[in-house]
Amino acid sequence: DTGVSQDPRHKITKRGQNVTFRCDPISEHNRLYWYRQTLGQGPEFLTYFQNEAQLEKSRLLSDRFSAERPKGSFSTLEIQRTEQGDSAMYLCASSVTGYNRGYTFGSGTRLTVV
Amino acid sequence: AQKITQTQPGMFVQEKEAVTLDCTYDTSDQSYGLFWYKQPSSGEMIFLIYQGSYDEQNATEGRYSLNFQKARKSANLVISASQLGDSAMYFCAMREANTNAGKSTFGDGTTLTVKP
Repeated sequence: DTGVSQDPRHKITKRGQNVTFRCDPISEHNRLYWYRQTLGQGPEFLTYFQNEAQLEKSRLLSDRFSAERPKGSFSTLEIQRTEQGDSAMYLCASSVTGYNRGYTFGSGTRLTVV
Repeated sequence: AQKITQTQPGMFVQEKEAVTLDCTYDTSDQSYGLFWYKQPSSGEMIFLIYQGSYDEQNATEGRYSLNFQKARKSANLVISASQLGDSAMYFCAMREANTNAGKSTFGDGTTLTVKP
């Protein structure tokens, strides 16, 4: 297994455009997480899935953000009508169920909104 | 609500020496887990070590150990025999110890620089 893969690595978009990111977790991992990280700060939770079910979504997340994991494998994160404040690194992570399990992170997708 | 505080924005250590990275936390949960992650300049975060709130012994993983003081709500990471490859950003995180809990709360990190 090659770990958690994220695509694309970098995305530059104009304000107002929609963007979609993809995450392929480790195949044995039933949990998948999305976090957002801005420069100089720690990751901020966005949402997580157990298999195909979205179990929690941050209240900080506006309705411009949506995530799916249709078959319990890969996941997509879509941002509609992007704003400059959406510029950040979007991190995907996966794990098996268990409160003592650390995450395996992907390399992230860096979004720049111009 | 959970909160993680890492008060050291940057730390320096001489190669082969030990270093302690501070982490304090606040939570109303009775059971919780504490985690440390390493983020090299390449960007990919790596899970280092876990400590459960009811674990009686401090966790250790190779050169990493966690100095857990529950009464003080602190979970400091100790790196022994520092290596140049330890230069990275380090994040402390916590999560409720509930099987259904998925969200982790992260601190803002400490940048560690190991000097040759």
